[in-house]
Amino acid sequence: SQQGEEDPQALSIQEGENATMNCSYKTSINNLQWYRQNSGRGLVHLILIRSNEREKHSGRLRVTLDTSKKSSSLLITASRAADTASYFCATDETSGSRLTFGEGTQLTVNP
Amino acid sequence: EAQVTQNPRYLITVTGKKLTVTCSQNMNHEYMSWYRQDPGLGLRQIYYSMNVEVTDKGDVPEGYKVSRKEKRNFPLILESPSPNQTSLYFCASREGYNEQFFGPGTRLTVL
Repeated sequence: SQQGEEDPQALSIQEGENATMNCSYKTSINNLQWYRQNSGRGLVHLILIRSNEREKHSGRLRVTLDTSKKSSSLLITASRAADTASYFCATDETSGSRLTFGEGTQLTVNP
Repeated sequence: EAQVTQNPRYLITVTGKKLTVTCSQNMNHEYMSWYRQDPGLGLRQIYYSMNVEVTDKGDVPEGYKVSRKEKRNFPLILESPSPNQTSLYFCASREGYNEQFFGPGTRLTVL
């Protein structure tokens, strides 16, 4: 079953703008992870935020986690055409050892 | 270089002809899993393995088999493939509650 749900499903912005994607989930988690996938290729890990963390940064990426609302957001600042990809959130549930993925947000950055 | 490899990358076969997709990781990870990715359905887990000789069903295990005789290898077996198993398949591995490493994917078409 899909644990995380990303919102929006698709996002189109201009180069230089910020992109925000949201993820909601249903159960208790150890951590939440964000991945990126270029068309038809393997997923690449971007950032991991643990359940006791509220915010994390990595380069132009900023991730927040609100465990009370069971939600997370991924912000990409100063976007570039090369950021065009699908972005997935994945939750590491406390009840098991599985990493469960949402359906992803398709981000298009127009030059 | 730390990596997950899959073979073959592309495969076209016919209904009922048994096939195996190999997966190997060189990071000494205990946890390995297989996913399939279909448009509109995101990534769905087929099987996972927490260690050698330990495997368990994911969300969509029907029609698939796996084995974990060695820590580094986790092959996916389709005993009698059907057209509804046409999909993009990913193998992945990780250690503990950390980031997951994905293989490059295997695009399977069953005629």
